[in-house]
Amino acid sequence: GAVVSQHPSWVICKSGTSVKIECRSLDFQATTMFWYRQFPKQSLMLMATSNEGSKATYEQGVEKDKFLINHASLTLSTLTVTSAHPEDSSFYICSARDSGGRMSTGELFFGEGSRLTVL
Amino acid sequence: SQQGEEDPQALSIQEGENATMNCSYKTSINNLQWYRQNSGRGLVHLILIRSNEREKHSGRLRVTLDTSKKSSSLLITASRAADTASYFCATAHLGGGFKTIFGAGTRLFVKA
Repeated sequence: GAVVSQHPSWVICKSGTSVKIECRSLDFQATTMFWYRQFPKQSLMLMATSNEGSKATYEQGVEKDKFLINHASLTLSTLTVTSAHPEDSSFYICSARDSGGRMSTGELFFGEGSRLTVL
Repeated sequence: SQQGEEDPQALSIQEGENATMNCSYKTSINNLQWYRQNSGRGLVHLILIRSNEREKHSGRLRVTLDTSKKSSSLLITASRAADTASYFCATAHLGGGFKTIFGAGTRLFVKA
């Protein structure tokens, strides 16, 4: 199956710093990627839809200035948590849909997630 | 709420028994997917069922979809201790790049 690589898998940072998380589709092109956030023992909440070459579409209640998304190429989307605070500590997961021949399947391919801890 | 609903929230069964999880959603979909997640890990895709399909099988998994009721079920037959995990349904909605929304999830515990 298609592979989505997410990096880093875990990160610890001090309050007030910014953290960048990368999401790469390794063997397919993805014009659309999705970023999710998951708190312990809860489900995944969609934060935003990342569109290659254009602005991301954020879900209601998600601060776009807080969570900066850049999708500069067909294989890479980045999420930057700016001025991170302890309440931003969470598990962030990206996913991508194959824009090529497999797009019609609708299947999403997920990264392994990035666990952010803000001290 | 962004999420669809799943029930039960938690399910504890003996090895060998069947486990059934249900999912309901709110708006029209292109497809519905079921995922598994072990604690603190990423998601594993289990099965995808399209809006024009009613039932699908994959190994010990059986998924049904009732678009008139906006609901789906996942049946795991002959469960094993290794099936212990959280299970989520996810609905891909028409438009917006097939934005995919997750249900609240069911935590399954299979006792050996």
